[in-house]
Amino acid sequence: DIQMTQSPSSLSASVGDRVTITCRASQGISNYLAWYQQKPGKVPKLLIYAASTLQSGVPSRFSGSGSGTHFTLTISNLQPEDFATYYCQKYNSAPFTFGPGTKVDIK
Amino acid sequence: EVQLAESGGGLVKPGGSLRLSCAASGFSFYYAWMNWVRQAPGKGLEWVGRIKSKTDGGTTDFAASVKGRFTISRDDSKNTLDLHMNSLNTEDTGVYYCTTEWESDAFNIWGQGTMVTVSS
Repeated sequence: DIQMTQSPSSLSASVGDRVTITCRASQGISNYLAWYQQKPGKVPKLLIYAASTLQSGVPSRFSGSGSGTHFTLTISNLQPEDFATYYCQKYNSAPFTFGPGTKVDIK
Repeated sequence: EVQLAESGGGLVKPGGSLRLSCAASGFSFYYAWMNWVRQAPGKGLEWVGRIKSKTDGGTTDFAASVKGRFTISRDDSKNTLDLHMNSLNTEDTGVYYCTTEWESDAFNIWGQGTMVTVSS
């Protein structure tokens, strides 16, 4: 099965910062990559699918890129409500593995 | 409004069984491919399994960690999804979410989750 890794596992940032999270797949998955945001005690929220397509209603400060095995999620102009854990997920074929997550907290 | 609502969680002893249900509303459940995702306390998200729509064969796939112990079924007449869990162990403890992609490519619809605790 394809393994998903994320880096860093956590980061501290300030409001207004630009933050980049990396996700890597152990084999190529084309652009079948999604990003989710989860706040403590809350349900995961889909941010981006197809590696770079913004889900409806998600602010444009979120962006995604990549294809194959290397993907990035960028949050420009970090806002207070963006402090959360972010997960990538492959969905080209089962199993639909999630990355281990990246926690973004306040510096 | 598109909604998913899980039920059936609770406390179960190791080796026991439990059935979780998910009620869907606000979308064409008949055509939806439905998934279960779980999250152990303080841990990340883990995809558990999926059932395709009957129009696409109705087949199931599972994570290696639950294959042979868990099954998924659906009742399209009632818009419900079930997760049947057998031979439960402490590592199965967590919040279980049902989720689907609807007018999207990834899991954009999630239930609120139901907690399963496996403990003696």
